[in-house]
Amino acid sequence: KAGVTQTPRYLIKTRGQQVTLSCSPISGHRSVSWYQQTPGQGLQFLFEYFSETQRNKGNFPGRFSGRQFSNSRSEMNVSTLELGDSALYLCASSPRTSGGLHLTDTQYFGPGTRLTVL
Amino acid sequence: QQQVKQSPQSLIVQKGGISIINCAYENTAFDYFPWYQQFPGKGPALLIAIRPDVSEKKEGRFTISFNKSAKQFSLHIMDSQPGDSATYFCAAWDSNYQLIWGAGTKLIIKP
Repeated sequence: KAGVTQTPRYLIKTRGQQVTLSCSPISGHRSVSWYQQTPGQGLQFLFEYFSETQRNKGNFPGRFSGRQFSNSRSEMNVSTLELGDSALYLCASSPRTSGGLHLTDTQYFGPGTRLTVL
Repeated sequence: QQQVKQSPQSLIVQKGGISIINCAYENTAFDYFPWYQQFPGKGPALLIAIRPDVSEKKEGRFTISFNKSAKQFSLHIMDSQPGDSATYFCAAWDSNYQLIWGAGTKLIIKP
């Protein structure tokens, strides 16, 4: 099976712009989570989607949003970019078939999208 | 807010030695603690996880030990190999079903 894919791998934007990142989960996986990874803050949970519904949301401002499509592919959007949004954005999928992410579920991560905001 | 404190930040170990990474948590709503391994240019990958109904779990050269009263858990890598050089993260679940991550330990195994 192909792993989690994320596009694009690298992105450079300027402050005030918006950006959309894409994630294709492992075939059959319906849960998709997004994380932000920075040297200073480590990995921080953004949100989780399951069957096109947002199940959980981390403590990020409303500029960060996401969605999931019927084929489980997911996108996240960041509007009005700030310098502090520069980070590696990671997507992870999980094979849970109902109810959203469970504690003991293994999350399979993609390689991430490296976003640089100038 | 739930915090997971991981130490050391970086670690250099000779090939064949034992690598030890420690984590401490304040509170956790759910007793399940995963460890992830991340290589440069890759996303994290689940390495091993423990439920605290056991105090230790071993998978090959990797062992997690858990001390519930001290709210601490640690990863031991026996016979460390250069291929183990990576960044390791511990994590714990909070009451909002969100995974809280340690800051990571960059491990370098010297040949």
